[in-house]
Amino acid sequence: QVQLVESGGGVVQPGGSLRLSCAASGFTFSNYAMHWVRQAPGKGLKWVGVISFDGSNKYYADPVRGRFTISRDNSKNTLFLQMNSLRGDDTAVYYCARKGSSSGTLGMDVWGQGTTVIVSS
Amino acid sequence: SYELTQPPSVSVSPGQTATITCSGDALPDQYSYWYQQKAGRAPVLVIYKDTERPSGIPERFSGSTSGTVVTLTISGVQTEDEADYYCQSADRRGTSQIFGGGTRLTVL
Repeated sequence: QVQLVESGGGVVQPGGSLRLSCAASGFTFSNYAMHWVRQAPGKGLKWVGVISFDGSNKYYADPVRGRFTISRDNSKNTLFLQMNSLRGDDTAVYYCARKGSSSGTLGMDVWGQGTTVIVSS
Repeated sequence: SYELTQPPSVSVSPGQTATITCSGDALPDQYSYWYQQKAGRAPVLVIYKDTERPSGIPERFSGSTSGTVVTLTISGVQTEDEADYYCQSADRRGTSQIFGGGTRLTVL
């Protein structure tokens, strides 16, 4: 079945780095753009960024631009989020989500279960 | 920066109709999407491209649009519909995605 599984979350000190992964299965990963979305404890959803199907285009939300980098390895069906210079307000559950095709939903139509990042000393 | 505005909460009784609005200046130019998120779970897409419903989503969920406001309507609300609902769209350039602040639907 179509599935996304995030991993790599944990506790990190302010100023530190962390790399999240999102393993895709059940669909042709290389055909789809992918998003990262985060949710701070008790708060709403916040878009982090998106990468095109082939990795050639990337866009980021203002709070993470210059600190976070999205990449993908289509040969391994895996999406990544490299997070540097982490701050307390980066503490959140991080979700990867598939962007539906232009002939389909165009929305975030498949989501992972999320991985938790806690930035604390 | 661009924002999408939703009411924080909506309450209805079972069987009634719930209406959740989302307003934003760029909504006439960009598609809108709605997500349902139950406690402790990942979001689920319930409406895409303003008015379309993904397969597997009950027919009681519908979307509409009028100018700078898009609306999620749940007809004949059931207790299982109690959740947080988020609208989502893009800025005018289409490069940044935005979520509304979310609306908690309580089924009394």
